Amino acid sequence: AQSVSQHNHHVILSEAASLELGCNYSYGGTVNLFWYVQYPGQHLQLLLKYFSGDPLVKGIKGFEAEFIKSKFSFNLRKPSVQWSDTAEYFCAVNADDKIIFGKGTRLHILP
Amino acid sequence: EPEVTQTPSHQVTQMGQEVILRCVPISNHLYFYWYRQILGQKVEFLVSFYNNEISEKSEIFDDQFSVERPDGSNFTLKIRSTKLEDSAMYFCASSASSGSYNEQFFGPGTRLTVL
Repeated sequence: AQSVSQHNHHVILSEAASLELGCNYSYGGTVNLFWYVQYPGQHLQLLLKYFSGDPLVKGIKGFEAEFIKSKFSFNLRKPSVQWSDTAEYFCAVNADDKIIFGKGTRLHILP
Repeated sequence: EPEVTQTPSHQVTQMGQEVILRCVPISNHLYFYWYRQILGQKVEFLVSFYNNEISEKSEIFDDQFSVERPDGSNFTLKIRSTKLEDSAMYFCASSASSGSYNEQFFGPGTRLTVL
């Protein structure tokens, strides 16, 4: 069955720290992977996506993610976080026209 | 930039009542979806809709649920007789195409509280 696992449920960092959020997926078909962000009180927004090509994908707000097929992983990274990055982050895979989400990682940045 | 909109933002209802959640997809999109997120849990797929028909539905989408595109702009989710466990955030999404390569655009969600 298709599934997405996010390793960390709650992460607390100080400003300027580096961030890596883990994501592993299980899906037998062609994978198309996403990271969504949900800022407090706002809707889901697409941070970045991987469909094909370069496995290192750059998204908005300085985020990037690397697709490692052999590890079934799509980890999200940012070299230096800001207080405004406080939000919930969802890894997701498009499995035959429906999005399968992970449980989300709540990121809290200390000013 | 065009956005998916949803109304109301918060709906409170009594158990057993019918609710209709409304969505206005992006205007040139043809594929529509509903997802829900129970508090503390992950976002789950409910149903996809195209050409006035359900394309796929999950096991959550039982006979109490229905979807409709009553006019050229709205896409609705109806719950006939709400249960306590229907309390969740409901997200509408739309896309221009279907399949694994499509990008779905999400609305802000409707928080449904069933008392």
